[in-house]
Amino acid sequence: GAVVSQHPSWVICKSGTSVKIECRSLDFQATTMFWYRQFPKQSLMLMATSNEGSKATYEQGVEKDKFLINHASLTLSTLTVTSAHPEDSSFYICSVGRMSSYNSPLHFGNGTRLTVT
Amino acid sequence: SQQGEEDPQALSIQEGENATMNCSYKTSINNLQWYRQNSGRGLVHLILIRSNEREKHSGRLRVTLDTSKKSSSLLITASRAADTASYFCATPTRDTDKLIFGTGTRLQVFP
Repeated sequence: GAVVSQHPSWVICKSGTSVKIECRSLDFQATTMFWYRQFPKQSLMLMATSNEGSKATYEQGVEKDKFLINHASLTLSTLTVTSAHPEDSSFYICSVGRMSSYNSPLHFGNGTRLTVT
Repeated sequence: SQQGEEDPQALSIQEGENATMNCSYKTSINNLQWYRQNSGRGLVHLILIRSNEREKHSGRLRVTLDTSKKSSSLLITASRAADTASYFCATPTRDTDKLIFGTGTRLQVFP
């Protein structure tokens, strides 16, 4: 299956700073990547769909100016949490679909644990 | 938004026992997928079952799908301590790749 690398695996930052999380598809050119957020002991909530070469599509309730997504190449999508606050502390996970088909599974990165102090 | 509700929320069993997790969903689907998540890690795909399939097997895993009841179940037979993880069902939104996840079942297998 596709290999997805996410970096960093964890990060601690101070309130008000910005944090960038990278998601790379190592063996597959991905026109679409997905970003999820997960609070402790809860399920994954889809934040946005990252589209190569165009604007990301955000889910309802997700602030696009706070969670900046850039998908400048077929193998890299980045999520930047701007002006982070403690309530942004969470586990962020990216995923890639190997085929442009809703009948294929997604492949996930190992996630990034963000702690905002 | 959450598409699926999973039951039970948590399950504790002994090694060798079978574990059954259930998933109910709300809208019509093209397929239903099951994923596993070890603590603090990403998700790993286990099985995809299409809407025209009723049962699927993969090793010790057995998945059933009942579209009339909008429900699916995941059975892990002869469980092992290494099966300890959270298990999620997920369904794609209509005609897109977006996966919406259920609430998950936390499985603990004691040696």
